Amino acid sequence: KAGVTQTPRYLIKTRGQQVTLSCSPISGHRSVSWYQQTPGQGLQFLFEYFSETQRNKGNFPGRFSGRQFSNSRSEMNVSTLELGDSALYLCASSPGTSGGAGYNEQFFGPGTRLTVL
Amino acid sequence: GNSVTQMEGPVTLSEEAFLTINCTYTATGYPSLFWYVQYPGEGLQLLLKATKADDKGSNKGFEATYRKETTSFHLEKGSVQVSDSAVYFCALTHASGGSYIPTFGRGTSLIVHP
Repeated sequence: KAGVTQTPRYLIKTRGQQVTLSCSPISGHRSVSWYQQTPGQGLQFLFEYFSETQRNKGNFPGRFSGRQFSNSRSEMNVSTLELGDSALYLCASSPGTSGGAGYNEQFFGPGTRLTVL
Repeated sequence: GNSVTQMEGPVTLSEEAFLTINCTYTATGYPSLFWYVQYPGEGLQLLLKATKADDKGSNKGFEATYRKETTSFHLEKGSVQVSDSAVYFCALTHASGGSYIPTFGRGTSLIVHP
């Protein structure tokens, strides 16, 4: 079974721009979660989507948004980029059949490294 | 709110040494507890988990016991290998107001020398 894939792997943007990151979950997984990983804050939960609906949300500003498609693929968008948005963005999938993100084992992708200049 | 505290790294050991990485948590009720490992350039992988008090999770020679009385979930391995060099994350999930928000520790880097 193929693992979680994320595209692109690396991205460089400038302040004020917007960016879209993509995540393809493991086949059959219906839950996709997004995380931001930085040296200063560690790994922080952004949001979780299940069956095209946002099921859980972390404590991030509205500039961070996401969506999930009918095939469970998910995209994350960050608008009006700030220098502090530079981070590794991780996507994780799980079957999601009970509970929310993290209730079950999550399978992580390799991440997208976003650099904001 | 929920929180997870891990010991600061890096932890540097020689091959075959005993490993302990401390993890304590704050949460109401009975969270599920996890250890994830992140190898260089890769995403996180689940290493082991425990879902109730006194449960012991184990995998690949690593083990951790869910201690409700001390709110701890310390990771141990009897004899580390160079290939165990990675970053280890302690995490919990707990239901709060109908949501299950995963909370991760800051991660502990382990460096094992031959």
